[in-house]
Amino acid sequence: ETGVTQSPTHLIKTRGQQVTLRCSSQSGHNTVSWYQQALGQGPQFIFQYYREEENGRGNFPPRFSGLQFPNYSSELNVNALELDDSALYLCASRPQGASKDEQFFGPGTRLTVL
Amino acid sequence: KQEVTQIPAALSVPEGENLVLNCSFTDSAIYNLQWFRQDPGKGLTSLLLIQSSQREQTSGRLNASLDKSSGRSTLYIAASQPGDSATYLCAVRYAGNNRKLIWGLGTSLAVNP
Repeated sequence: ETGVTQSPTHLIKTRGQQVTLRCSSQSGHNTVSWYQQALGQGPQFIFQYYREEENGRGNFPPRFSGLQFPNYSSELNVNALELDDSALYLCASRPQGASKDEQFFGPGTRLTVL
Repeated sequence: KQEVTQIPAALSVPEGENLVLNCSFTDSAIYNLQWFRQDPGKGLTSLLLIQSSQREQTSGRLNASLDKSSGRSTLYIAASQPGDSATYLCAVRYAGNNRKLIWGLGTSLAVNP
């Protein structure tokens, strides 16, 4: 158990819709990162939030956005869903002062876009 | 281009065998290398982290080695068990200003009782 939870576990949407995925981290984990993992691929970094502000972003378009809240929870929002957005979405949190490699991953949300 | 390659893509072995998973990377200027385990549809669990100055790390039946000059790392699993069945991912954090993390595609391991 990593202490990081994600909801929902599975989700089915249709092309063009919007989706919000949620992540809840342990107390004191003020850095959270989101990853997209397509089937058979390694995780791709989407963005990172620190103290409620985005402070790093991968090669993803602006329709991928996020929020981080003071209670150590966060959201990933994706607008105008495309078929290629189908993937496992992982969040990972890190305690204050920890190195970049001390991440704790959640179990992921499996998103299917039809 | 900084890439990470894992071989084989899939592996099926009988219980009790010792096995080796391979990871290669294209740029020797790395900060560290990490091996992860991923169970089907689940998140990632860090197994071993090797800093660039280290040659190997051990945890229980797992041993990971790092050879920067050849751009290779191996994950050795001794006396494999059915519970070891999972996908094993190698991730390399390259040196440089942003210390970008590059992931391999993983090796899917099945240990048969």
